[in-house]
Amino acid sequence: AQSVTQPDIHITVSEGASLELRCNYSYGATPYLFWYVQSPGQGLQLLLKYFSGDTLVQGIKGFEAEFKRSQSSFNLRKPSVHWSDAAEYFCAVVWGNSGGGADGLTFGKGTHLIIQP
Amino acid sequence: NAGVTQTPKFRILKIGQSMTLQCAQDMNHNYMYWYRQDPGMGLKLIYYSVGAGITDKGEVPNGYNVSRSTTEDFPLRLELAAPSQTSVYFCASSYGGSDYGYTFGSGTRLTVV
Repeated sequence: AQSVTQPDIHITVSEGASLELRCNYSYGATPYLFWYVQSPGQGLQLLLKYFSGDTLVQGIKGFEAEFKRSQSSFNLRKPSVHWSDAAEYFCAVVWGNSGGGADGLTFGKGTHLIIQP
Repeated sequence: NAGVTQTPKFRILKIGQSMTLQCAQDMNHNYMYWYRQDPGMGLKLIYYSVGAGITDKGEVPNGYNVSRSTTEDFPLRLELAAPSQTSVYFCASSYGGSDYGYTFGSGTRLTVV
């Protein structure tokens, strides 16, 4: 079955340090890739998405992600994290052969980001 | 700009009780979804709908039912609540096609005791 893997359950980063969250997807048809953030007790907010074109995409809150087809990866990065970035981060995929996304997003299990002062 | 509205926000059920989680969207989206979120498991798709009168099972449909009588509404029904259904439930909608823009509701936290 097609799947999304986020290898890191928890990541701890010092405030001001750089961040990279990993996401891998199983090989399939053209993937459309998303990163969402969820603050405690809140819903999901879209950070960025990749459909085609430039493989480095910019999102909100200073985040970016790079699509690497050869590695089946879509890692999320931020040059300098802030305490307010502490949250749960989810990578998600829609595959291009899924009828226009009708059968919804497939999510990874999430990475919990902890920011140390 | 309401987006996707879920009610209630919180609910405690006793084992064997039934309830309906409500979801409404005002964006004229064709596609609607119900997900459940459990700690450390991400979000899993329960049911989805591509339009009024059309529904289909997702990854974890057992114990749930849905209906889609209008474009706007997509209620999720739990008939015989079980502790395993303790979770946070999210409704989402999408226009579909090349946009792939998904809008999520704020969630319903359900506890079955």
